[in-house]
Amino acid sequence: KQEVTQIPAALSVPEGENLVLNCSFTDSAIYNLQWFRQDPGKGLTSLLLIQSSQREQTSGRLNASLDKSSGRSTLYIAASQPGDSATYLCAAPNQGGKLIFGQGTELSVKP
Amino acid sequence: NAGVTQTPKFQVLKTGQSMTLQCAQDMNHNSMYWYRQDPGMGLRLIYYSASEGTTDKGEVPNGYNVSRLNKREFSLRLESAAPSQTSVYFCASSVRDPHYEQYFGPGTRLTVT
Repeated sequence: KQEVTQIPAALSVPEGENLVLNCSFTDSAIYNLQWFRQDPGKGLTSLLLIQSSQREQTSGRLNASLDKSSGRSTLYIAASQPGDSATYLCAAPNQGGKLIFGQGTELSVKP
Repeated sequence: NAGVTQTPKFQVLKTGQSMTLQCAQDMNHNSMYWYRQDPGMGLRLIYYSASEGTTDKGEVPNGYNVSRLNKREFSLRLESAAPSQTSVYFCASSVRDPHYEQYFGPGTRLTVT
């Protein structure tokens, strides 16, 4: 059964810092992993989708990596800004192909 | 391009009342999904529709029904609302299940008293 864990649950950093958000999953037989951003009271915005054949995916200041053998993915945010404050969720598919979500990391970037 | 839209944004129901949550996408996606999000439980799949004309249960289907009205629209119905169904409901779509990115709507915040 796929289980997705995100640590830490909350993170507070000063503006400008580089940071890493962690995601681990128990079933490594995945064909992709997706990272989302959720602002308070809003829906989820897709940030990056990494296919199992890829090791990394980049979009602007965001870089997501995937290591299937260890069951881990990381989201690296460079030069963080207050506008990056949000909850970040990762999701990996179960054997039926349905997304299983982590609980999220609530990020606060202080000016 | 509106993406995924949901109505209503907010709703308060009394126990036992019924209602339908509406979802529509304009991206010509084949697959659509309904999730609920609860504190401490995260996002959980209620029902999904892999393609027009098909629907299947997800992780937490009890108390809900769905209709894939056409390729664009996927509705979620609560026949007899219960306080345990107080939640935020999200609709999502993807090009095709399951290998493609999912896109989410803004959500419906439902309170059942």
